[in-house]
Amino acid sequence: AQTVTQSQPEMSVQEAETVTLSCTYDTSESNYYLFWYKQPPSRQMILVIRQEAYKQQNATENRFSVNFQKAAKSFSLKISDSQLGDTAMYFCAFMADSNYQLIWGAGTKLIIKP
Amino acid sequence: GAGVSQSPRYKVAKRGQDVALRCDPISGHVSLFWYQQALGQGPEFLTYFQNEAQLDKSGLPSDRFFAERPEGSVSTLKIQRTQQEDSAVYLCASSLGTSDYEQYFGPGTRLTVT
Repeated sequence: AQTVTQSQPEMSVQEAETVTLSCTYDTSESNYYLFWYKQPPSRQMILVIRQEAYKQQNATENRFSVNFQKAAKSFSLKISDSQLGDTAMYFCAFMADSNYQLIWGAGTKLIIKP
Repeated sequence: GAGVSQSPRYKVAKRGQDVALRCDPISGHVSLFWYQQALGQGPEFLTYFQNEAQLDKSGLPSDRFFAERPEGSVSTLKIQRTQQEDSAVYLCASSLGTSDYEQYFGPGTRLTVT
């Protein structure tokens, strides 16, 4: 069975700083996808960034980038130039290519301070 | 275009009552998912539909939970004889096709059982 672990329940940084959220996972699958989702207080889950495991290049989306270490089964999210609107719960999620279920971590509450 | 919508947004039920939660997926999306998110936790998979077929209901916690998608569009999650442990946010997500792994989420229904 797959598991996803987020070891940081809460993080807080000043606006404009860079912050890194950690995620590790465990799987015996060879083909899979990894995701970071953002859930603001309004509760709607929004996809931030995704990574296909077969791609060696780390995904980037504007201020968001990942550090994907396949051998270490690590998938961290870096947010550069953080903004007040980045305040939210961030969830790391895993999906095996042979399945369609998203397996979720417990989340990290990120607070951006003005 | 319109995203995934869910109704009601909030539902309070007395223990033992039956509830029905509705999900309107993005038009044309083949796949539909239900997740349960307890307070302070990541979501957990409940069930999956491909068009009108319920292909996986392994995550439904008990036989009090029932989901349907009779015409391959709108879906309803029904919980019979609600219990306090059913209190959670119920998230619906849809994706375009069976090979499209990006899921789009609705705002969720917060169910409180008193």
